[in-house]
Amino acid sequence: KFILTQPHSVSESPGKTVTISCTRSSGSIGSNYVQWYQQRPGSSPTPVIYEDNQRPSGVPDRFSGFIDSSSNSASLTISGLQTEDEADYYCQSYDSDNVVFGGGTKLTVL
Amino acid sequence: EVQLLESGGGLVQPGGSLRLSCETSGFTFLNYAVTWVRQVPGKGLEWVSSINPGGVTTYYADSVKGRFTISRDNSRHISHLQMNSLRAEDTAIYYCAKDRTEWEVLMGFDVWGRGTMVTVSS
Repeated sequence: KFILTQPHSVSESPGKTVTISCTRSSGSIGSNYVQWYQQRPGSSPTPVIYEDNQRPSGVPDRFSGFIDSSSNSASLTISGLQTEDEADYYCQSYDSDNVVFGGGTKLTVL
Repeated sequence: EVQLLESGGGLVQPGGSLRLSCETSGFTFLNYAVTWVRQVPGKGLEWVSSINPGGVTTYYADSVKGRFTISRDNSRHISHLQMNSLRAEDTAIYYCAKDRTEWEVLMGFDVWGRGTMVTVSS
């Protein structure tokens, strides 16, 4: 089994760009798709990126996902930050019989 | 509209049992895997269990293996999570989620329910 490691928190100002990393402990990051979920306080998680870099319908193109094989990590980039983007973000991947979530990153837009 | 609605949560003593249900609508249930994820309030997401579309293959986190059983009734569009030998550390909000891709399992989840709270305490 592997672990996905995310920074505990990030903060940035409105209008700026922020990137959240998700590093896989073992096995190749590219061997299984990575998903990203946004969770606002009191709400259920909702996907913002699936299959590494695909946006679900309704998710603005300010959200983008990337895979970096050299660092064995995935990243979520949010550009043109808005106050409504303030939330917890979780990466998620899987292997043959297991689903793994990252520990989550609290994004503060200040 | 795709909807999932969990029920069955509540307060139970350590060692007790609970059966959670996930009622679904708005999609072809028998084509999609179902997954249960839990979250201690204020903490991160933890995968619990998944079941493939046909209901034949099940998957469990090590933390619940041997105590929890996932099932589904494709005629009623519902999934259940039977939780036995409950421990204090099982206290969490339990979400059910629909897998994104038809006929796949574990890959990712596009619609989540609102969750049901399970509290294990004496």
